[in-house]
Amino acid sequence: GDSVTQMEGPVTLSEEAFLTINCTYTATGYPSLFWYVQYPGEGLQLLLKATKADDKGSNKGFEATYRKETTSFHLEKGSVQVSDSAVYFCALLSSASKIIFGSGTRLSIRP
Amino acid sequence: DSGVTQTPKHLITATGQRVTLRCSPRSGDLSVYWYQQSLDQGLQFLIQYYNGEERAKGNILERFSAQQFPDLHSELNLSSLELGDSALYFCASSVTSGRANTGELFFGEGSRLTVL
Repeated sequence: GDSVTQMEGPVTLSEEAFLTINCTYTATGYPSLFWYVQYPGEGLQLLLKATKADDKGSNKGFEATYRKETTSFHLEKGSVQVSDSAVYFCALLSSASKIIFGSGTRLSIRP
Repeated sequence: DSGVTQTPKHLITATGQRVTLRCSPRSGDLSVYWYQQSLDQGLQFLIQYYNGEERAKGNILERFSAQQFPDLHSELNLSSLELGDSALYFCASSVTSGRANTGELFFGEGSRLTVL
């Protein structure tokens, strides 16, 4: 069945460091791909999305590119801030119209 | 503010009891989803409703049930509670394109259930 695999956390970085959180997927067809973020004490919120191969989603300095050849959708940010500390979830919308989330990656940024 | 309202925010109860969690979706959203988030942060999909009808079922226990009412609010009923049911329960509503899911979910702030 369709699935999403994320790198295990927690990930701890210093402020202004470069961030990559890996996400790969298994799916039939060409799913839409998403990154959601959950700040402490809050619900998840959509961070960015991409709906077809080679699309790049971007928001708040974060970017992710839909790579069909490697079935990946890695999240990147050039310079992280303390306020980026959160849990990040990769997700896909399958051809059967199901929304499947990865297990989440906790990110902590040190001042 | 996502526009999705969940009540109560916190609930403490005893094993064997029954509770009801309530969710009001964003104005205009016809789909409502329920998720359970355990301490290890994983999100488990429980159930989805679309315009009052059950649309998809996930890992929902038989002790749990849900419904969506004509005004589109939804309730999740949890009965015969066990210690392991302690978790955050999230409701989300979604933008749909006709009946098709778009993957864009708007989450409430969650109801934290503690079973003692």
